[in-house]
Amino acid sequence: KAGVTQTPRYLIKTRGQQVTLSCSPISGHRSVSWYQQTPGQGLQFLFEYFSETQRNKGNFPGRFSGRQFSNSRSEMNVSTLELGDSALYLCASSLSGGVSTDTQYFGPGTRLTVL
Amino acid sequence: AQSVTQLGSHVSVSEGALVLLRCNYSSSVPPYLFWYVQYPNQGLQLLLKYTSAATLVKGINGFEAEFKKSETSFHLTKPSAHMSDAAEYFCAVSNNAGNMLTFGGGTRLMVKP
Repeated sequence: KAGVTQTPRYLIKTRGQQVTLSCSPISGHRSVSWYQQTPGQGLQFLFEYFSETQRNKGNFPGRFSGRQFSNSRSEMNVSTLELGDSALYLCASSLSGGVSTDTQYFGPGTRLTVL
Repeated sequence: AQSVTQLGSHVSVSEGALVLLRCNYSSSVPPYLFWYVQYPNQGLQLLLKYTSAATLVKGINGFEAEFKKSETSFHLTKPSAHMSDAAEYFCAVSNNAGNMLTFGGGTRLMVKP
């Protein structure tokens, strides 16, 4: 069974631009979560989607948004990029999103660099 | 709100020595706790998780962790370190709804030959 895939793996943007990252979950998984990883702030939860609905959201500004499609694939968008948005963005999928009962499988991440 | 503290951002051990990575949690309700490992340029891989079934949890690659409510701790151990264990390790706690993880700051484990 294929794992979680994220595209692109690396991305370079300039301040003020916007970016869209994609995540394809493991087949059959309906929950997709996004995390931002930076050296200074560590791993921080962005949001979680289940069956095309955002169920939970972390403490990030409105520039960060996401969506989920009917095939469970998810995208996240960051508008008006800032230097501080440079990070590794990780996507994780699970059957139903209940981390206490499911296992979250993480993708390899998308490394975003903002110049 | 739940939180997790990992003591020691860097830990160095010799090959064959005991590995002990510390994690303390803060939670108002019985937590679900996790340990993840991240190898360079890769995502996170689940090592083990505590869901109140047993206080001693065995995971993959010979790792285990013991939940101690009185100490609010969930330390990760491995009796004998291998070179391949060199990686960054994250302790995490889930929210009450079970759909969000809060991670500790991570501990980078270095294994000396």
